[in-house]
Amino acid sequence: DTGVSQNPRHKITKRGQNVTFRCDPISEHNRLYWYRQTLGQGPEFLTYFQNEAQLEKSRLLSDRFSAERPKGSFSTLEIQRTEQGDSAMYLCASSADGGGQAFFGQGTRLTVV
Amino acid sequence: QKEVEQNSGPLSVPEGAIASLNCTYSDRGSQSFFWYRQYSGKSPELIMFIYSNGDKEDGRFTAQLNKASQYVSLLIRDSQPSDSATYLCAVNPAAGNKLTFGGGTRVLVKP
Repeated sequence: DTGVSQNPRHKITKRGQNVTFRCDPISEHNRLYWYRQTLGQGPEFLTYFQNEAQLEKSRLLSDRFSAERPKGSFSTLEIQRTEQGDSAMYLCASSADGGGQAFFGQGTRLTVV
Repeated sequence: QKEVEQNSGPLSVPEGAIASLNCTYSDRGSQSFFWYRQYSGKSPELIMFIYSNGDKEDGRFTAQLNKASQYVSLLIRDSQPSDSATYLCAVNPAAGNKLTFGGGTRVLVKP
């Protein structure tokens, strides 16, 4: 399978705990995006990488959120001190230069209890 | 005003009919436009993209773009029950490299 891969698929955590999600993009894609989606809403942009450089981060993103993409390959999204409001589907997408056609992984569903 | 706006629906369509979905966007400099289909509990799936004014057809789907009026639409011909899903409009704004999504239109195709 050469699509975008996200792990884990589901995560249940207690409020205040830290969680980390992983995304493996399509191998030839150098752009990687993280989005968050809650029920009944469209995906909300969180951050974007071109290769290993984090080029844009949403102004709405709390300091508790951090993302990395070492060596321009896979990416991780960490949420520190989780809150119930962080419960959502976290989506990763990748695209090649030009075109802008982004392909999504299966998502990681986070539930904070 | 939201950057990308869609009617949330649901849009109820009889099987075999044409479903027409609309999307408006605020950034006049936007260059590329996408339609994603999202089944309940699943991630978005890219079904159409369009960059130039006019129509683009792919199978039963037609995307229409009018940059002067800042809208993009999606037509689904010969709608099938399997087309029942939420359709997300996404726009690549002029000054950025991310996709901005609308809230989605839920489509229900009734047999």
